[in-house]
Amino acid sequence: QSALTQPASVSGSPGQSITISCTGTSSDVGGFNFVSWYQQHPGKAPKLMIYDVSYRPSGVSDRFSGSKSGNTASLTISGLQTEDEADYYCSSYARSSTLWLFGGGTKLTVL
Amino acid sequence: EVQLVQSGAEVKQPGESLRISCEGSEYRFTNYWIAWVRQMPGKGLEWMGIIYPDDSETRYSPAFQGQVTISVDKSISTAYLQWSSLTASDTAMYYCARRGYTFGEVYWYFDLWGRGTLVTVSS
Repeated sequence: QSALTQPASVSGSPGQSITISCTGTSSDVGGFNFVSWYQQHPGKAPKLMIYDVSYRPSGVSDRFSGSKSGNTASLTISGLQTEDEADYYCSSYARSSTLWLFGGGTKLTVL
Repeated sequence: EVQLVQSGAEVKQPGESLRISCEGSEYRFTNYWIAWVRQMPGKGLEWMGIIYPDDSETRYSPAFQGQVTISVDKSISTAYLQWSSLTASDTAMYYCARRGYTFGEVYWYFDLWGRGTLVTVSS
């Protein structure tokens, strides 16, 4: 099963908002509210930022929000800060033998 | 501190075997599934498989089925990922990650990650 589709890169200026999309199918993103988002800084382990489409774990800034429409989930970061510069990966449960799918990752550059 | 502690970096030759580890600390290890995730150099994350420490139930991604073995020793709160014969294409960072769980319900996300084990396979 193919990975979920994310844009390779997005950029924004400090204080602005950006949105990263994650497109799947009705067998994964569109069929279930089990989308999660991970932040990965260079040389570091991924960190859970959003789970179940729109929920934030304790300790994650409320500048991060998630949503979903049809087969596409989105991560929005408002009030961009330089420390937000990182790679972001979406993930979803998949109704197949590949239980978890990841997106290809999106590199966020804060200009 | 609740954490997953992974074994150190490995440099191996093609054809060699390898087992890397992931030890859970400061939480009830047997309650949480542990997954393995591959990240090849400069690439994205790939789910390899997952194991439930309490009964060793294991699920593999079809892409990794037969290529690796996931196991666990719950007596020492440690999960393992092993290869019987490495190839250069196994060169990657390997993360273990804990599946979300609370009050008897499991979730479809990973809430705790190890720092990764870098495996380099080269002749």
